[in-house]
Amino acid sequence: AQSVAQPEDQVNVAEGNPLTVKCTYSVSGNPYLFWYVQYPNRGLQFLLKYITGDNLVKGSYGFEAEFNKSQTSFHLKKPSALVSDSALYFCAVRAPSGGSYIPTFGRGTSLIVHP
Amino acid sequence: GAGVSQSPSNKVTEKGKDVELRCDPISGHTALYWYRQSLGQGLEFLIYFQGNSAPDKSGLPSDRFSAERTGGSVSTLTIQRTQQEDSAVYLCASSFPTSGGETQYFGPGTRLLVL
Repeated sequence: AQSVAQPEDQVNVAEGNPLTVKCTYSVSGNPYLFWYVQYPNRGLQFLLKYITGDNLVKGSYGFEAEFNKSQTSFHLKKPSALVSDSALYFCAVRAPSGGSYIPTFGRGTSLIVHP
Repeated sequence: GAGVSQSPSNKVTEKGKDVELRCDPISGHTALYWYRQSLGQGLEFLIYFQGNSAPDKSGLPSDRFSAERTGGSVSTLTIQRTQQEDSAVYLCASSFPTSGGETQYFGPGTRLLVL
């Protein structure tokens, strides 16, 4: 079975400071990992994904995430937070090719960026 | 191009009534997913359609829930004899499966309130 943990329900950061939203996963084999963002009253939007290759993945809006196999983590980061980054962030994992096409999502982390 | 659309955007119903929620996926996307998002619970997988294959119904919480997908495009999620615990946001997503970890495109959701 595959699972995702987002240990923080909420992350608070001041505008201009770096931000990190944590995600750890459990899956058999090499994972496919995703980050999505949800703004109020909207559906989820894709931010970035890790499939293979470089452990540092760059995505939309200046976000990046680092795949760490030994720690089974895929933390989302941004060097300088904006107030407009305030939203709900979801990490997801999917088993590699040959497994289920259904990703498992974490419970979400609410990011609040203070002016 | 057009994204995933869902209707209605909001639905208020009385306990015991049946409701139908509609999802129009992105044209050409063969995979379609339904999720339920409850406050603080993250995304709960409900059902997955892929092309002409039998749907994966493993996430449906009870036999009151059913879904169909006509012509490989539009999907309808039906909840019979609604209960108050069915109140949630129902999200639909579509994707085009690849061997490299497909990105899901989400609709804005239908917010269901059962009184």
